Amino acid sequence: EADIYQTPRYLVIGTGKKITLECSQTMGHDKMYWYQQDPGMELHLIHYSYGVNSTEKGDLSSESTVSRIRTEHFPLTLESARPSHTSQYLCASSPAGGHLIYEQYFGPGTRLTVT
Amino acid sequence: LAKTTQPISMDSYEGQEVNITCSHNNIATNDYITWYQQFPSQGPRFIIQGYKTKVTNEVASLFIPADRKSSTLSLPRVSLSDTAVYYCLVTGGFKTIFGAGTRLFVKA
Repeated sequence: EADIYQTPRYLVIGTGKKITLECSQTMGHDKMYWYQQDPGMELHLIHYSYGVNSTEKGDLSSESTVSRIRTEHFPLTLESARPSHTSQYLCASSPAGGHLIYEQYFGPGTRLTVT
Repeated sequence: LAKTTQPISMDSYEGQEVNITCSHNNIATNDYITWYQQFPSQGPRFIIQGYKTKVTNEVASLFIPADRKSSTLSLPRVSLSDTAVYYCLVTGGFKTIFGAGTRLFVKA
């Protein structure tokens, strides 16, 4: 089993609030990712990181920001939540090398509802 | 990144073998083919990965023809718990694109 954790699992928050979604992994993986997924829809990559102090935007434009100060931690922040941010947010990590170089391990997700 | 095309949905019955085919005509030399499974309200889970020919593990087989422009995920003797969305990915770099996936419904 992959050791990647996300908190909170569920969050209901009002418009305009600042929120941080936490993601941690204990596998020592260099690469980490954030995806956004609406119910029944495909996953969209919104942020990724090659390693400490490295962050890049993904294919889907997002108003969120991320940081990577420690290898194991990749938090996602929304400065001012809006109803359009309502979605499921999935964090993943993958090792930098090895045979299965592109296998990603996913966390359980955070389901965010902005009212 | 190579685009993948797979059926939107498939139905099957318990105990049957299910084959899901994915097209990836623009696959590059260094690309791998990876399949993930996702249950509702969970993150995707890695199933199998291959580069060419056939790969088999304890849950599935992956068949890749010589031209690598398609691949087929084979699930032997499916059960109700195999009802999920199955994603075919072509990954040749850091970013991965999941696409819409194939929704498999296994009936009793």
